[in-house]
Amino acid sequence: DAKTTQPNSMESNEEEPVHLPCNHSTISGTDYIHWYRQLPSQGPEYVIHGLTSNVNNRMASLAIAEDRKSSTLILHRATLRDAAVYYCILRDKAGTYKYIFGTGTRLKVLA
Amino acid sequence: EPEVTQTPSHQVTQMGQEVILRCVPISNHLYFYWYRQILGQKVEFLVSFYNNEISEKSEIFDDQFSVERPDGSNFTLKIRSTKLEDSAMYFCASRATGPPYSNQPQHFGDGTRLSIL
Repeated sequence: DAKTTQPNSMESNEEEPVHLPCNHSTISGTDYIHWYRQLPSQGPEYVIHGLTSNVNNRMASLAIAEDRKSSTLILHRATLRDAAVYYCILRDKAGTYKYIFGTGTRLKVLA
Repeated sequence: EPEVTQTPSHQVTQMGQEVILRCVPISNHLYFYWYRQILGQKVEFLVSFYNNEISEKSEIFDDQFSVERPDGSNFTLKIRSTKLEDSAMYFCASRATGPPYSNQPQHFGDGTRLSIL
């Protein structure tokens, strides 16, 4: 089973920031936190990943709690194209790189 | 930006027939994966492949499934005798190497929709 828990769905207005939370209370010291999103009829798309420090890239920011038991994906200005299912994923166990997907958060962006 | 490409985008096959799904991973990647997603359900791991052998496989990946890297660019998933329940989206992914525990992300293709009749 997935080692993360996320809300089933969230809504945001267009042009506003979105904070997508993820809990991963059983995270191990070497687990990276990966975020992907899946747009309709497409494969999962890499968004961002991090270990301990907050991370920024052109798509989003990742804020990781100090105890690493939770993280938040931040979309700074949501657009209609950001409507997707967002997955927070940990590596399954040390030594393996397979992803275990949960049900993710379905983000709806309102015009 | 380099991407993983999968062909065909949609495959329709009669039950009991063999099917081969094809993937071209990103060119300098060495780790390869197959996942599947039954309509309305979660993305599920099938198999990982490195150095011309299977690294790990799930319970779903039984004797009916096989993977191969027949040349330097393609990575294939074969289902020998398809069943109705094999109908799903099949996603290929690849990953670059990196320092130990660097956790290079996997990059996914847009999938092949497999419909078994």
